[in-house]
Parts: sequence; C-alpha cells; structure tokens
Amino acid sequence: IAGITQAPTSQILAAGRRMTLRCTQDMRHNAMYWYRQDLGLGLRLIHYSNTAGTTGKGEVPDGYSVSRANTDDFPLTLASAVPSQTSVYFCASSMSSGMDEQFFGPGTRLTVL
Amino acid sequence: GQNIDQPTEMTATEGAIVQINCTYQTSGFNGLFWYQQHAGEAPTFLSYNVLDGLEEKGRFSSFLSRSKGYSYLLLKELQMKDSASYLCAVMDSNYQLIWGAGTKLIIKP
Repeated sequence: IAGITQAPTSQILAAGRRMTLRCTQDMRHNAMYWYRQDLGLGLRLIHYSNTAGTTGKGEVPDGYSVSRANTDDFPLTLASAVPSQTSVYFCASSMSSGMDEQFFGPGTRLTVL
Repeated sequence: GQNIDQPTEMTATEGAIVQINCTYQTSGFNGLFWYQQHAGEAPTFLSYNVLDGLEEKGRFSSFLSRSKGYSYLLLKELQMKDSASYLCAVMDSNYQLIWGAGTKLIIKP
C-alpha cells in the first residue's frame, strides 16, 4: 500500500441498507477525515479523527458514523442509506490536525436507489 | 456563516497565464490551501499561504491578502494537462477546512 486506499471504488446500494466504506493509510498520519463531494458544492466534512481512539463531527455528520480503532484505518458507516447520500466520498489524512496538507484517497462513488 | 467564493468556470489558451480568484469569510483563519482536482480523481495539494504575499512554486503561484479575505492562484505557461478543477480551502479557527465549490479550468489549444 502506498498512501491512502479506499474500498469499494463504486457501489450501488438500495435505500435502507447498511454500508461501510473502508479507508486505510500507510503514512502513519495522526489525523484522518471523511468528505463528501457533490456537484456544484465544495467538499463537505462528515467526520474526522485527530488521533487514534478519538473522533469528531464535521459539517454534515447525520446518518454517518465512524470509528478509529488504530492509526491506519478509518471506516465510514451508513447505518440506513437514503438517496440523499448519493455522492462521491473521499477519505483524507494529514500528519496532524493542524496546518498540514491533506492527502486524499481515490474516492468511492456511492449511489443509493 | 462561512463562505468561500470562486468562479465556477474559466477558459484559457495553452501557453497563456490565468488567475483564479478566491474570496472568503470564515470564523477564524489558519491558512488558505489550493488543490488541483482532475476529473474523476482525488484532489492533490498545490499550495498553502498563511502570511500575506506571493508564494511561487514553478509555474504556479499563490497570493494571499488576509485583510481583504482574498487569494488567487496564478498559472503560467498553461499546458493542456492543467485542465482541471482548482479548489480553494480555508482552515478555520477549529482547524477544519472550509472548501469552495471549485473552479473548472478549460485549456484550449
């Protein structure tokens, strides 16, 4: 692994189903983030983690949950998917939660029908 | 509220110079970032400004005026591969990035 990986690359999901998007980084970065990107809007922060064992809510956390059991992994779970969660999801990481550049994974394109 | 404004789309000619503007209103300021995003790909870091002035990095330069809440990204000697979206983001007082919607730059031969 080099950098950040996300899985799956894309997914079509029926409304009401549970889905976990996976994110793994091998840079030993302390901070990790989940964003969604929708056409015409900027990236919006869903949840973040400043260090392993801690998480926080971003701008649009409703309907999503995260965990950070270790430094490398930061999964995002949709408990019961709704069509408005159709989006491209990016995971990112940075050395710290301060003024460090964020490195992004390749994204997961999720469609909820 | 917090707001980042940048033009939706710009067109420029190969070999020319283009300036992409970004204005912001945020709760606190801990620096401004520019990212490049090619269609269907992830954003990649271009520059970071926290002090007023111009930062030059090869063909790309970024300028910041904190008093005016204004930044621009200057791209020189445009190449076809520069066709992409350019995202402006401000780090607020909580050290969270607030993102603009991005400027789609189209380069014509």
